[in-house]
Amino acid sequence: QKEVEQDPGPLSVPEGAIVSLNCTYSNSAFQYFMWYRQYSRKGPELLMYTYSSGNKEDGRFTAQVDKSSKYISLFIRDSQPSDSATYLCAMSASGGATNKLIFGTGTLLAVQP
Amino acid sequence: GAVVSQHPSRVICKSGTSVKIECRSLDFQATTMFWYRQFPKQSLMLMATSNEGSKATYEQGVEKDKFLINHASLTLSTLTVTSAHPEDSSFYICSAHQTLNNEQFFGPGTRLTVL
Repeated sequence: QKEVEQDPGPLSVPEGAIVSLNCTYSNSAFQYFMWYRQYSRKGPELLMYTYSSGNKEDGRFTAQVDKSSKYISLFIRDSQPSDSATYLCAMSASGGATNKLIFGTGTLLAVQP
Repeated sequence: GAVVSQHPSRVICKSGTSVKIECRSLDFQATTMFWYRQFPKQSLMLMATSNEGSKATYEQGVEKDKFLINHASLTLSTLTVTSAHPEDSSFYICSAHQTLNNEQFFGPGTRLTVL
């Protein structure tokens, strides 16, 4: 079993839709949770960073962490064609960006105009 | 945000040759840099952690003699794929840790194709 599971998609939605992206994990030691966006042939860029359980909102993006279920989500409101990319979840057991990140496989999102 | 560059962005080489990939933090110093490999439709897999002035720490299953890492300065880390083979063809991505924001910034990646 992989430490982090993520549905690879592809996920296609119309412009303006609410998008829900999810990851599950098996390692209860994970405390730090991140979502990255990766455009084709580019490196990932950090979207959201959360610690432990709870919600975090930034503009159209909301990240949720449910440690009891080992489940994290990223919601995108009012999705735009420019949101079309691969979204990767990542997590680590220790704080700080020097610690080892475990990535999901990424979900390919396509927002249709 | 902080910028990390990689060079080259794309390289095609013959089997048996060695390829060097550079990772530079352009506007900040990075004591720690990371090298990842990403195969098509798969996740980023950490290969090694590169610390300036010391030996790299390799993940299990990654051959340190095949993937040579040098982190000679606070802004540059290099990955050399020695005696490359077609199965080494992949997307290699580096990241650099910025102490100020305690965040990893990723480079744009290098597409390696070994014929």
